[in-house]
Amino acid sequence: GDSVTQMEGPVTLSEEAFLTINCTYTATGYPSLFWYVQYPGEGLQLLLKATKADDKGSNKGFEATYRKETTSFHLEKGSVQVSDSAVYFCALTDSGGSNYKLTFGKGTLLTVNP
Amino acid sequence: NAGVTQTPKFRVLKTGQSMTLLCAQDMNHEYMYWYRQDPGMGLRLIHYSVGEGTTAKGEVPDGYNVSRLKKQNFLLGLESAAPSQTSVYFCASTPTGRGYEQYFGPGTRLTVT
Repeated sequence: GDSVTQMEGPVTLSEEAFLTINCTYTATGYPSLFWYVQYPGEGLQLLLKATKADDKGSNKGFEATYRKETTSFHLEKGSVQVSDSAVYFCALTDSGGSNYKLTFGKGTLLTVNP
Repeated sequence: NAGVTQTPKFRVLKTGQSMTLLCAQDMNHEYMYWYRQDPGMGLRLIHYSVGEGTTAKGEVPDGYNVSRLKKQNFLLGLESAAPSQTSVYFCASTPTGRGYEQYFGPGTRLTVT
């Protein structure tokens, strides 16, 4: 079945540092890819998405590019802030055609220190 | 517009007790989901519903039952709680045709002793 593998955390950075969180996937079809973010004590929120190969999703300074050749969707941000401290989840849609189930990675905890 | 709400926020159960978690959404979404979140495991889908009166099993359905009698509500039941069901439970919903953009509730932290 479909699966998502994320780099294990935790990741600790200083404010204004560059962030990369790696995500690779396995899917039989052509999934859409997503990053969700979970701030402390809250539910998940959609951060960005890409629905086809070479698409770049972006939001709040975060970016990720759908790379079909490497089956990757790495999350990047050029200058992180303390407020970016959260757990980040990579996810993909069910590629069986239903398009209503998400498969999540295990999450990566990011802590940004001032 | 409250979005997705969950009741209760916290609960402690003894082994063998039963309880029902309530999820409500006021966005007229067709699809609803129940997940559990455990350390190092990410989110795992328990059950989901693609419309009023329909339910289906997800990745980890054993020990849980669900009902979707009204479009806005999705109930998750534990008939005989076990310590392995200690977890944080999240409900989510999504409108038809946008299955990727799931809207999550704030979660219910359940401890089974």
